[in-house]
Amino acid sequence: KQEVTQIPAALSVPEGENLVLNCSFTDSAIYNLQWFRQDPGKGLTSLLLIQSSQREQTSGRLNASLDKSSGRSTLYIAASQPGDSATYLCAVLNAGGTSYGKLTFGQGTILTVHP
Amino acid sequence: DGGITQSPKYLFRKEGQNVTLSCEQNLNHDAMYWYRQDPGQGLRLIYYSQIVNDFQKGDIAEGYSVSREKKESFPLTVTSAQKNPTAFYLCASSARGLGGIGELFFGEGSRLTVL
Repeated sequence: KQEVTQIPAALSVPEGENLVLNCSFTDSAIYNLQWFRQDPGKGLTSLLLIQSSQREQTSGRLNASLDKSSGRSTLYIAASQPGDSATYLCAVLNAGGTSYGKLTFGQGTILTVHP
Repeated sequence: DGGITQSPKYLFRKEGQNVTLSCEQNLNHDAMYWYRQDPGQGLRLIYYSQIVNDFQKGDIAEGYSVSREKKESFPLTVTSAQKNPTAFYLCASSARGLGGIGELFFGEGSRLTVL
């Protein structure tokens, strides 16, 4: 059964810092990996989608990498701003085993960027 | 603007009552999903539909029911058989169904509280 773990569970940084959020998964048979942002009491907003054949995706100050063989993805946020404060979740779309065709979510990293 | 609309945003229910949560999308997506989010847990899949008039149970379907009579709409009914219905419910859609490579988009969520 696929398991997705996000480390750290919470992170607090001063404005302007570059930071890395980590996501690991136990089964490398995936179609894609998606990073989301969730503000308190709101739905999820898609940030980046990486297909299994890709190594990274970039959008503005965000860069996500994928190492499928080691079961890891990182989300890099450059020059963090207070508006980046939110919970960040990763999810993998499973391509094999009992989780075939299903998304498995991590529990998220709560990011606080203080001025 | 294209997107996913969930209603109501907040809902209170007495024990023993059924309630229906609405989810409408104008993205012309084939697939729609319902997730449940509880504090300290990742998102869990309740039901999903890859095409009109077809739907499948997710990981925690007991006590819930759905219908997919129109492509745009995927309502979720929380029945009195659901033992712990208080949660944040999220509806999502993707251009193609699970097993494809589509990006997942979410609504703003509905918070259900059982009194």
